[in-house]
Amino acid sequence: AQSVSQHNHHVILSEAASLELGCNYSYGGTVNLFWYVQYPGQHLQLLLKYFSGDPLVKGIKGFEAEFIKSKFSFNLRKPSVQWSDTAEYFCAVRGRSGNTPLVFGKGTRLSVIA
Amino acid sequence: GAVVSQHPSWVICKSGTSVKIECRSLDFQATTMFWYRQFPKQSLMLMATSNEGSKATYEQGVEKDKFLINHASLTLSTLTVTSAHPEDSSFYICSARSTSGETQYFGPGTRLLVL
Repeated sequence: AQSVSQHNHHVILSEAASLELGCNYSYGGTVNLFWYVQYPGQHLQLLLKYFSGDPLVKGIKGFEAEFIKSKFSFNLRKPSVQWSDTAEYFCAVRGRSGNTPLVFGKGTRLSVIA
Repeated sequence: GAVVSQHPSWVICKSGTSVKIECRSLDFQATTMFWYRQFPKQSLMLMATSNEGSKATYEQGVEKDKFLINHASLTLSTLTVTSAHPEDSSFYICSARSTSGETQYFGPGTRLLVL
């Protein structure tokens, strides 16, 4: 069965600090990987996705993520966070074959303080 | 990007009543729609996968007779919470995948409060 593990439940950073949120997955096959963000009171938005090719993918708002196949990881990074990045971040994985749904990690709450 | 809408955005109902939530893909055709449930400060839990014109596939532990899903067209799926109880209070989110794409787009969610 698919599973996604996000290591940090709550991360608190000062503005301009660098961010790295961990994500590891378990799946017996080829996967597509995603990071979603949920700002307070808003719905999920896609930050970035990896299907194939360059394992370093760039998303919106200065976020990037690196797929390391050997580690089954897809960590999210941002060099310098802003107060507006305060949100809940979800890593998700989906098997490529068939009509499989997205499976989400438990999420990491990021709080950025001025 | 693609747009998915949900209606209503929030609903309060009495225990024992049924509530229907609509999910629409506004600018694309969705052969597959997913229904998730999100408890406060928790992740999205998949409830069921629905394919247009066929019966939904429910995840383990989700009662199909309580959460009725209908996916009658390529742009509309409905979730009906039958005989709702306070423990059904939650945030219900639908998601749609287009016929050609691999990305799932999410609706804004429906907050259900059962009194």
